[in-house]
Amino acid sequence: DTEVTQTPKHLVMGMTNKKSLKCEQHMGHRAMYWYKQKAKKPPELMFVYSYEKLSINESVPSRFSPECPNSSLLNLHLHALQPEDSALYLCASSQVDMVSYNEQFFGPGTRLTVL
Amino acid sequence: KNEVEQSPQNLTAQEGEFITINCSYSVGISALHWLQQHPGGGIVSLFMLSSGKKKHGRLIATINIQEKHSSLHITASHPRDSAVYICAVKARTSGSRLTFGEGTQLTVNP
Repeated sequence: DTEVTQTPKHLVMGMTNKKSLKCEQHMGHRAMYWYKQKAKKPPELMFVYSYEKLSINESVPSRFSPECPNSSLLNLHLHALQPEDSALYLCASSQVDMVSYNEQFFGPGTRLTVL
Repeated sequence: KNEVEQSPQNLTAQEGEFITINCSYSVGISALHWLQQHPGGGIVSLFMLSSGKKKHGRLIATINIQEKHSSLHITASHPRDSAVYICAVKARTSGSRLTFGEGTQLTVNP
């Protein structure tokens, strides 16, 4: 299995809602990533988990709350979002190697619209 | 100036044409990705390079570390190749972060 899956594909939420995005991989990767991508822009890194521990938080607002309950699963909990948070949210995973860089595998993304 | 520059930004070709997309970067890198993104879709990794050349089907990627330059070539282009192609580098000093280019929008007309 060389796939990263993300659910849901599309999500529409109001500014007072709480929702979660889910990402799953079964490639045995121990690093998982959340990216945000606005239209016609490259992805921006949000969070990195390594061995289920948060290793990078790119100064993301606290209305985004990541969670890595196990090595295959990554969640992004959303609360009190703003319309400008509407974007494609991409998950990726990779092996962890302290010496060399490992290729990131990306999921299909969740298209989020905040009303 | 961005650390990763791609050219051209937009490219329109006729089916069957040979296509080249260029990527220049200004930092020391340990690896370079070529990625493909179809409209509204997720990202597919085409190649990861640290030296030389790789080929997969009609796609060829080359990298010149000394010149800090990489190219992605598509031979016998097809309308299904229409997508955004993104160059991303792993700088030696950036941990697990990738630095992305702005992408090249390729349209192949039948």
